[in-house]
Amino acid sequence: RKEVEQDPGPFNVPEGATVAFNCTYSNSASQSFFWYRQDCRKEPKLLMSVYSSGNEDGRFTAQLNRASQYISLLIRDSKLSDSATYLCVVNPRNTDKLIFGTGTRLQVFP
Amino acid sequence: ETGVTQTPRHLVMGMTNKKSLKCEQHLGHNAMYWYKQSAKKPLELMFVYSLEERVENNSVPSRFSPECPNSSHLFLHLHTLQPEDSALYLCASSQGGAGGQGNNEQFFGPGTRLTVL
Repeated sequence: RKEVEQDPGPFNVPEGATVAFNCTYSNSASQSFFWYRQDCRKEPKLLMSVYSSGNEDGRFTAQLNRASQYISLLIRDSKLSDSATYLCVVNPRNTDKLIFGTGTRLQVFP
Repeated sequence: ETGVTQTPRHLVMGMTNKKSLKCEQHLGHNAMYWYKQSAKKPLELMFVYSLEERVENNSVPSRFSPECPNSSHLFLHLHTLQPEDSALYLCASSQGGAGGQGNNEQFFGPGTRLTVL
């Protein structure tokens, strides 16, 4: 089983749509969780951390379910500029090492 | 623009060449990383340096040789590479450390697109 698994997509959605991405991780002792965004031919950048209580940043909501070892990202009111690959990232041992998923590609069309 | 720069941005080399990738961070961080990103694969961590000491080496072939002369600079020396080594090589830095501050954001450079002929 992969350490971090994501549906690669692509997800093709119209502007204004709500889209959700899911991610599962294999190490139940994992300590911290993140969503990174990577635009085409660019480097990854932190989108948001994921907290046990769930957290929201504008149109983006991240949730963590430790019992199911599952992380989600919800994007509301999609914009064209949201088109990118979204990387699920897990820190399994609270060290400097991050484990990245393959990413889920999102394409928002007019 | 991030505070992490990488040179060169593109590199084409033959299998017998020797070249080096350079990374510099201007963020005052104390941990630096090399990652490899191949098509349709997740980012693969290659090396981690924390406080200028190598703390992680993910079974990377010896044809890749990292060097961290100080906390702001990181090199990846390449020699006798194979075509399957063609990929995007990303450098990152964070305000981490051997103390296990794993919640710290990693800032990535723009990467070096490497092609091995």
